[in-house]
Amino acid sequence: EPEVTQTPSHQVTQMGQEVILRCVPISNHLYFYWYRQILGQKVEFLVSFYNNEISEKSEIFDDQFSVERPDGSNFTLKIRSTKLEDSAMYFCASSPGTSGSFEQFFGPGTRLTVL
Amino acid sequence: AQTVTQSQPEMSVQEAETVTLSCTYDTSENNYYLFWYKQPPSRQMILVIRQEAYKQQNATENRFSVNFQKAAKSFSLKISDSQLGDTAMYFCAFGFSLIYNQGGKLIFGQGTELSVKP
Repeated sequence: EPEVTQTPSHQVTQMGQEVILRCVPISNHLYFYWYRQILGQKVEFLVSFYNNEISEKSEIFDDQFSVERPDGSNFTLKIRSTKLEDSAMYFCASSPGTSGSFEQFFGPGTRLTVL
Repeated sequence: AQTVTQSQPEMSVQEAETVTLSCTYDTSENNYYLFWYKQPPSRQMILVIRQEAYKQQNATENRFSVNFQKAAKSFSLKISDSQLGDTAMYFCAFGFSLIYNQGGKLIFGQGTELSVKP
């Protein structure tokens, strides 16, 4: 069964460093998303991406964040200058975007620790 | 703005018994989707069940079923014959798109931590 994959599973970085989180969505899906979950809290939407551009973003997704689909398979989230409060689990998701299906399939997550 | 509320931070149930998790939401939209996701200790997000708002019939997936009350904006999850593997955090989520059936963000509730005891 096709699945969303994410790398790395755990990333440790120093405050102020840039990190890139990588995702490979399901191959025939059209919509891609990033969510984050601070430990013990709910899952929060960051950004959605369709047709090579951002379709929606939350107030969390400020200028420190960017997304990219550099090739036909990868979808990345970049944090330019990490802060302590960026420590969280980051989930990538994708959805078909076709009639009759609104379901989002989640990857296993990347745990980001900012020291 | 849409909101999702789960009023039960923690619940427990004996193995083989039935438990119901509550979820309420607020929206002015008429066409939307509702989901329950399970998050075990591995923190993977696993879809348990989905419900389209335009369908009156409650969704069922094996031991999992929902009670969808559109007028009351309520979407509860019933787990029958609870198993130890059901122990997890359960999140209710609301999905909506300006363009029908096309990509839109999910809004999650705060979660309910379910413990199934032997």
